[in-house]
Amino acid sequence: GNSVTQMEGPVTLSEEAFLTINCTYTATGYPSLFWYVQYPGEGLQLLLKATKADDKGSNKGFEATYRKETTSFHLEKGSVQVSDSAVYFCALSPRESSASKIIFGSGTRLSIRP
Amino acid sequence: EAQVTQNPRYLITVTGKKLTVTCSQNMNHEYMSWYRQDPGLGLRQIYYSMNVEVTDKGDVPEGYKVSRKEKRNFPLILESPSPNQTSLYFCASSFLPGTGTSPLHFGNGTRLTVT
Repeated sequence: GNSVTQMEGPVTLSEEAFLTINCTYTATGYPSLFWYVQYPGEGLQLLLKATKADDKGSNKGFEATYRKETTSFHLEKGSVQVSDSAVYFCALSPRESSASKIIFGSGTRLSIRP
Repeated sequence: EAQVTQNPRYLITVTGKKLTVTCSQNMNHEYMSWYRQDPGLGLRQIYYSMNVEVTDKGDVPEGYKVSRKEKRNFPLILESPSPNQTSLYFCASSFLPGTGTSPLHFGNGTRLTVT
């Protein structure tokens, strides 16, 4: 079956630190992969996506590369800011006509200290 | 502006008093879904709908009902709420998930407290 595993939080970093949040997946076929971000008091919003192997999604300084060989989609940012404090969700969307949902990881809470 | 609108944002009610949380989207999406978010449990899908008049159970459907009479609306109904349904609820929509490329668009959430 399809599943997503992401690193547990909370993750606490100082401003300007390098960020990595690990995400690995199990899927049949070739899914699309997403990172969503949830800021305090808000709903989830799409941060970036990649639809095929070796694609790199990027947005707001965040990047993630679709690695088929390691079934991973790790989120990275070179220099985090206090405003990046949020919960981050890795997600998978199967490419199957019978697919009925997007599969989410458990979420990683990120806190950035000034 | 493309959006998913949920109402209300906050709701406090008592056990057994029927309530409805509304959800509307203006993006002509076929797919709509309800989730609940609880600390330590992540997002859990309650019900989803692939199109008008087509609904199905998600992972945690007990105690909830939905309907999809129009493409844009997908209300969540709690016929007899209980305290274990106290949670943060999200509605989301997208084009059909089987394409693999359509991201979900989320509403801003409804925080429900059942006493």
